[in-house]
Amino acid sequence: GPKVLQIPSHQIIDMGQMVTLNCDPVSNHLYFYWYKQILGQQMEFLVNFYNGKVMEKSKLFKDQFSVERPDGSYFTLKIQPTALEDSAVYFCASSLVGVISNERLFFGHGTKLSVL
Amino acid sequence: GDSVTQTEGQVTVSESKSLIINCTYSATSIGYPNLFWYVRYPGEGLQLLLKVITAGQKGSSRGFEATYNKEATSFHLQKASVQESDSAVYYCALSDRGSALGRLHFGAGTQLIVIP
Repeated sequence: GPKVLQIPSHQIIDMGQMVTLNCDPVSNHLYFYWYKQILGQQMEFLVNFYNGKVMEKSKLFKDQFSVERPDGSYFTLKIQPTALEDSAVYFCASSLVGVISNERLFFGHGTKLSVL
Repeated sequence: GDSVTQTEGQVTVSESKSLIINCTYSATSIGYPNLFWYVRYPGEGLQLLLKVITAGQKGSSRGFEATYNKEATSFHLQKASVQESDSAVYYCALSDRGSALGRLHFGAGTQLIVIP
């Protein structure tokens, strides 16, 4: 079936540095999402993105976070600068139609970010 | 805000026995939410198991069933006879009708271990 690929699977970075998490969504999908899961906690919504724009973001989506999908390539989440509390698994998802239309989300395997 | 509470931690069931994973929700958005069960099999990304968008209806997939009970605000996942291949982490979720693209609110996940 359709797959969302996330690269890399694990990234270790020093606090204060910049990190970019890459997501290769399903090819014909139009809606893109990032979710964050801290160890032992629930997966929580960060942001959704459509037509080149952030449509919604949660309070977890700090000013240090940004997303983009230049020229239909990877959908990226950039954190600059990173903080210790950014350590988590970040899941990318995509869908053909927005979830409000009851369409399913396709998720990647996640990128584990460890901020030291 | 909207939230989901499900059976915590780990559930261990012998093969061919029945299973129930409890899920209750709280939805403050207008109307009532769409309800989902997602599953993560070992080594795979999160994927949709079943969804129900109408109160009183039952969804089913791969032998699993869940009924949307609006009065009890519940969406319990059941299976009459589990198989070893059902071992996975199961997440109950609801979509936020108050958001433009329908962000998902997830439960904490329940790890199912099926013993042969």
